[in-house]
Amino acid sequence: IAGITQAPTSQILAAGRRMTLRCTQDMRHNAMYWYRQDLGLGLRLIHYSNTAGTTGKGEVPDGYSVSRANTDDFPLTLASAVPSQTSVYFCASSDSNGGGYGYTFGSGTRLTVV
Amino acid sequence: GQNIDQPTEMTATEGAIVQINCTYQTSGFNGLFWYQQHAGEAPTFLSYNVLDGLEEKGRFSSFLSRSKGYSYLLLKELQMKDSASYLCAVLDSNYQLIWGAGTKLIIKP
Repeated sequence: IAGITQAPTSQILAAGRRMTLRCTQDMRHNAMYWYRQDLGLGLRLIHYSNTAGTTGKGEVPDGYSVSRANTDDFPLTLASAVPSQTSVYFCASSDSNGGGYGYTFGSGTRLTVV
Repeated sequence: GQNIDQPTEMTATEGAIVQINCTYQTSGFNGLFWYQQHAGEAPTFLSYNVLDGLEEKGRFSSFLSRSKGYSYLLLKELQMKDSASYLCAVLDSNYQLIWGAGTKLIIKP
């Protein structure tokens, strides 16, 4: 592993199903983030975690939950998927304050809810 | 509210110079970032400005004026591989990145 790994790369999901998007980093970054990216809207923050054991809500948290049991892993769960959650999801990480080199991104998960 | 504005799309010619502008209104300021994102890929870091002035890095330069809430990314000697979206983002007072919607840059031969 080098950087951030996201899985799966893409997924087609039936509405109403539960799904967890996985994110693992090996840089020992304290902070981790989940974004969704939709055409014309840019990156929108779903949830974040400033350090292991803590999480916070971003701009668009409804319908999503996260956990941060350790430094490396930050899974995102859709409890009951809806078509409006069709998007590209990016996980990112940074050192404590995100300064200097900003965020490092995973390669993304393309999710289609049908 | 917090707001970052940048043009939706720009077109330039291979070998030329292009300037992508970004204006921002945020609660606090702890730095401004430019990222490059090729279609279907993740954003990658280009530059970081926290003080006023110009930062040069090879063919790319980034400028910041904190008093005007303004930045630009300057790309010189454009190459076809520079066709991508360029994202402006500001680190606010809570050290959260606020993102612009991105500028899609199209390079023509």
